[in-house]
Amino acid sequence: EPEVTQTPSHQVTQMGQEVILRCVPISNHLYFYWYRQILGQKVEFLVSFYNNEISEKSEIFDDQFSVERPDGSNFTLKIRSTKLEDSAMYFCASSERPVGGGLQETQYFGPGTRLLVL
Amino acid sequence: GESVGLHLPTLSVQEGDNSIINCAYSNSASDYFIWYKQESGKGPQFIIDIRSNMDKRQGQRVTVLLNKTVKHLSLQIAATQPGDSAVYFCAENNPPSGGYNKLIFGAGTRLAVHP
Repeated sequence: EPEVTQTPSHQVTQMGQEVILRCVPISNHLYFYWYRQILGQKVEFLVSFYNNEISEKSEIFDDQFSVERPDGSNFTLKIRSTKLEDSAMYFCASSERPVGGGLQETQYFGPGTRLLVL
Repeated sequence: GESVGLHLPTLSVQEGDNSIINCAYSNSASDYFIWYKQESGKGPQFIIDIRSNMDKRQGQRVTVLLNKTVKHLSLQIAATQPGDSAVYFCAENNPPSGGYNKLIFGAGTRLAVHP
């Protein structure tokens, strides 16, 4: 069964450093998302991406964050200068269609990258 | 702001019993709802979804019920098994302010299944 994959599974970084989290969405999916989950809290939307541009973003997704689809398979989240409060699980998700697009609107999540900023 | 919430933070059941996990939502414009299961250290796993033009949808051992009048969503798990132990999240889309792609997650309910 196709699945979303993410690398690395764990990332430890120093405050102020740049990190790039990588995702390979399900191959026929066109809509891509990043969410994060601070330990013990609920999953929070960061950004959605379609047709090589951001379609929606949350207030969390400030200028320190960027997303890119550098090739036909990868989808990346870059945090330019990490802060302690960026420590969280970061989940990538993908869907074939947007919500409201019919039966293929389900967002499937990857296993996550645990980011720890020291 | 409007948000999705949960009535019970934890639910303990005996193996073989039926489980019911509840969720209240406040955005009357939401038209799509999903239940996810999250096991420790893993990503949310899709269980079942429902659109607002339905009030019930059944899957394998799971049923989702939607009551738009009181803005309530529930997940019923039949014959609960130890492998069902996890945190369960409801999520909704968030039009119009959040658009149609953004999912808003509830706080989660932990389901503990005892033998």
